[in-house]
Amino acid sequence: DGGITQSPKYLFRKEGQNVTLSCEQNLNHDAMYWYRQDPGQGLRLIYYSQIVNDFQKGDIAEGYSVSREKKESFPLTVTSAQKNPTAFYLCASSMTGGRSQPQHFGDGTRLSIL
Amino acid sequence: AQKVTQAQTEISVVEKEDVTLDCVYETRDTTYYLFWYKQPPSGELVFLIRRNSFDEQNEISGRYSWNFQKSTSSFNFTITASQVVDSAVYFCALSEVPPSGGYNKLIFGAGTRLAVHP
Repeated sequence: DGGITQSPKYLFRKEGQNVTLSCEQNLNHDAMYWYRQDPGQGLRLIYYSQIVNDFQKGDIAEGYSVSREKKESFPLTVTSAQKNPTAFYLCASSMTGGRSQPQHFGDGTRLSIL
Repeated sequence: AQKVTQAQTEISVVEKEDVTLDCVYETRDTTYYLFWYKQPPSGELVFLIRRNSFDEQNEISGRYSWNFQKSTSSFNFTITASQVVDSAVYFCALSEVPPSGGYNKLIFGAGTRLAVHP
């Protein structure tokens, strides 16, 4: 089945540690996105990528980094510079980056601090 | 300024009741798109519907219906004869192009948590 796979489902980070969240899609979508969701809030955009080897900062990019070396993959690294990383992270993709395209989501990674 | 407002934080109903989830948006674009997503307890967001700004026809899909009113900048979602499986957080979102151009941005409301009790 086509879809978006995020791993791991749960992740724990120690102080000063970088951690990487995986996102893979087999929908042949060009555009991919990372969102952060805090309790009781909507989603906030961290980074997005419209094509391979290109990505742009979203609204809350500080303390995060991404790469887009393959069309299928868009990993997110939460660096030690992100002082409040505890949140639910959602990866999404859309056929293109056009405004009419619905985004399709993975089932998320929950990140906590040890 | 908040661009997508879902004023109802939580709604609790008994099975078979009808329930309407409100969404009010703000945009200066003449062309934009509105979306509804469902987030069940498992966490993933499920796309429900897309509506463009030029199409004000209401839409019905089974027990779900959507009422888009440009005059009041609202895009409300009604579930008829609610079921326990409808329990989830529902998000309304607006897609517009920022004034500086480039990537279209999907702006989410804060969500409405719906609890349907047997």
